[in-house]
Amino acid sequence: EAGVTQFPSHSVIEKGQTVTLRCDPISGHDNLYWYRRVMGKEIKFLLHFVKESKQDESGMPNNRFLAERTGGTYSTLKVQPAELEDSGVYFCASSRRLAGATQETQYFGPGTRLLVL
Amino acid sequence: GNSVTQMEGPVTLSEEAFLTINCTYTATGYPSLFWYVQYPGEGLQLLLKATKADDKGSNKGFEATYRKETTSFHLEKGSVQVSDSAVYFCALKSNTGNQFYFGTGTSLTVIP
Repeated sequence: EAGVTQFPSHSVIEKGQTVTLRCDPISGHDNLYWYRRVMGKEIKFLLHFVKESKQDESGMPNNRFLAERTGGTYSTLKVQPAELEDSGVYFCASSRRLAGATQETQYFGPGTRLLVL
Repeated sequence: GNSVTQMEGPVTLSEEAFLTINCTYTATGYPSLFWYVQYPGEGLQLLLKATKADDKGSNKGFEATYRKETTSFHLEKGSVQVSDSAVYFCALKSNTGNQFYFGTGTSLTVIP
C-alpha cells in the first residue's frame, strides 16, 4: 500500500507570508497526526484528527496555525502569517483505529521542510 | 508528564563496530516504547517497538529491551553497516493518549 505522502517537500517563504502544507494519509487510516521538529530539537506533537474531527490540538503553538481535514481524508496545515520561529520540518503520521491505544503504530510521511526568512 | 531523553549525537562508528544509543523515559501510566529511524532524504520509519516491560523489540539486527526498573529502552546493534547511517529517534506513547513523545534524535554515521 502507498505510504503517507506530504507536499511540498520543501518550502521557503518570507516572514508574513502564508504557507499551506498537505498530508495524504494511508488509505483507511482514520487517525492523522501532525508533528513538528524545530532545528536540532525533539519532534513535538501538534494535533490529532480522528476522521474529520480534531481529537487533540493541545500541541498547536498559536492561532497562526490552522489544520483541517475536510471529508476525513487528506489534511492541510496552514501557517498564516508565518514567523521565523515556524521554520522546521513538519511531519504527518497516520494510523488505524485500534481497540487498544497502546497497540497503535503510527506511519510517518517524509516531512515538509519549511524555512521562513 | 511524558518525556524522552536520548544520548546526544552525532555518533561516528567504523563498520562492524558495536552500537548503543541510550534512551530513558518518564511516563504516566504504562507506555509503549519505539525506535524510529530516518534515513537521509526519507521520512521516519518504525524500526522496532515494545509494548510492555521486559519485552524486546528487534528488527534488522537492532534490539531494544523495555526496562521498567531503569525506565530505559536502549538501542543496540552488534555490527553496524554503512547503510545504518541515519538519525534514530526514541519515542513513547502513553496508554492514556494518542500522541507520541520523541527524543531529540541521534545522528549515526558509519564509515567503511
